[in-house]
Amino acid sequence: EPEVTQTPSHQVTQMGQEVILRCVPISNHLYFYWYRQILGQKVEFLVSFYNNEISEKSEIFDDQFSVERPDGSNFTLKIRSTKLEDSAMYFCASSELGIGEKLFFGSGTQLSVL
Amino acid sequence: AQTVTQSQPEMSVQEAETVTLSCTYDTSENNYYLFWYKQPPSRQMILVIRQEAYKQQNATENRFSVNFQKAAKSFSLKISDSQLGDTAMYFCALKGGGGADGLTFGKGTHLIIQP
Repeated sequence: EPEVTQTPSHQVTQMGQEVILRCVPISNHLYFYWYRQILGQKVEFLVSFYNNEISEKSEIFDDQFSVERPDGSNFTLKIRSTKLEDSAMYFCASSELGIGEKLFFGSGTQLSVL
Repeated sequence: AQTVTQSQPEMSVQEAETVTLSCTYDTSENNYYLFWYKQPPSRQMILVIRQEAYKQQNATENRFSVNFQKAAKSFSLKISDSQLGDTAMYFCALKGGGGADGLTFGKGTHLIIQP
């Protein structure tokens, strides 16, 4: 079965540094998402992306966050100046179509901000 | 705003037993979708089952089935003949009618299958 690939699997950074989390969605998928999960808590929606622009974003997705699809295969999440509370598992997901379609999740990037 | 509530933080059953995980939700959408995701210790999110709100028939995937009560806004997951590999966090999730809408997740139920 096709997979969503995320790199790196673990990222450690210092507070105030910029990080870029990378994702390769499934090739024929059109909708892309970022979610995060703080340890022990529920998974939270950050942003969705369709047709080369943000479709929806949550309150968490403030000006410190940005997403980009720099080429035909990668989908990135940038955190401009990391805070301690950004420490979480970040999941990328994609779906072929939108409404009700199965979301395929990547294995996640564990971000630790020190 | 959409909400998803899972009232059972943890459940434990013996192998081969049947277990039901509960989920209630709230949405103002008429067209929506409900999901159960499994998160094993590896923390990967794996889709277990999906239900379309406009379909009255309950979804079934092998040992997994749902009891979808639309009027009550309830969406429980039944696991039959539970196996050790079913041990995981289970999240109920809701997706609204928009194509790019994000999933709203519940807080999860930690299911432990005892040998």
